[in-house]
Amino acid sequence: RKEVEQDPGPFNVPEGATVAFNCTYSNSASQSFFWYRQDCRKEPKLLMSVYSSGNEDGRFTAQLNRASQYISLLIRDSKLSDSATYLCLSCGQNFVFGPGTRLSVLP
Amino acid sequence: DAGVIQSPRHEVTEMGQEVTLRCKPISGHDYLFWYRQTMMRGLELLIYFNNNVPIDDSGMPEDRFSAKMPNASFSTLKIQPSEPRDSAVYFCASSSNRAVREKDTDTQYFGPGTRLTVL
Repeated sequence: RKEVEQDPGPFNVPEGATVAFNCTYSNSASQSFFWYRQDCRKEPKLLMSVYSSGNEDGRFTAQLNRASQYISLLIRDSKLSDSATYLCLSCGQNFVFGPGTRLSVLP
Repeated sequence: DAGVIQSPRHEVTEMGQEVTLRCKPISGHDYLFWYRQTMMRGLELLIYFNNNVPIDDSGMPEDRFSAKMPNASFSTLKIQPSEPRDSAVYFCASSSNRAVREKDTDTQYFGPGTRLTVL
């Protein structure tokens, strides 16, 4: 089993839809978590840090569930520009990215 | 700040040649990471440094790979000899655990990457 897992998708959703991704991690010692987005042929860019109390930034909400060892990302009112691959990062004794979830927002 | 700087942006070389990738982290950051990304394996951590000292190199695939950080503003990843299976995008990232803004603490900022093709 991989240390960090994500549904690879692709998720194809219409504009304006709400979409949610989960990322599960197996290392209970992981301390901090992040969501990154990566556009084709570009570097990953930070989307959100994930705090234990949850974190909201505009249309984006990230939450951490330590008991079940997953983090989630919710995107509301999705835009065409949200189309990208979303990567989660688990940090602790080591730094492990998930394989990414591909999102396509369709007009 | 200019962000993380990597060079070259593209590298095409022949099997057996030595390849050197370069990275300049964000000024003031005390962590530096080298990642490799391929379609098959995703984004993999190769090695990371803290205060110029290698902390974990367990991700380095084999002895052909080596990384150095002679000072706080420069790091290299060297592949010698290179092989076609080394073809990938290599990213450098840096972070700080003492950022002024809490949300920046431990956040890794990535360079634009070096796209390596070994023929």
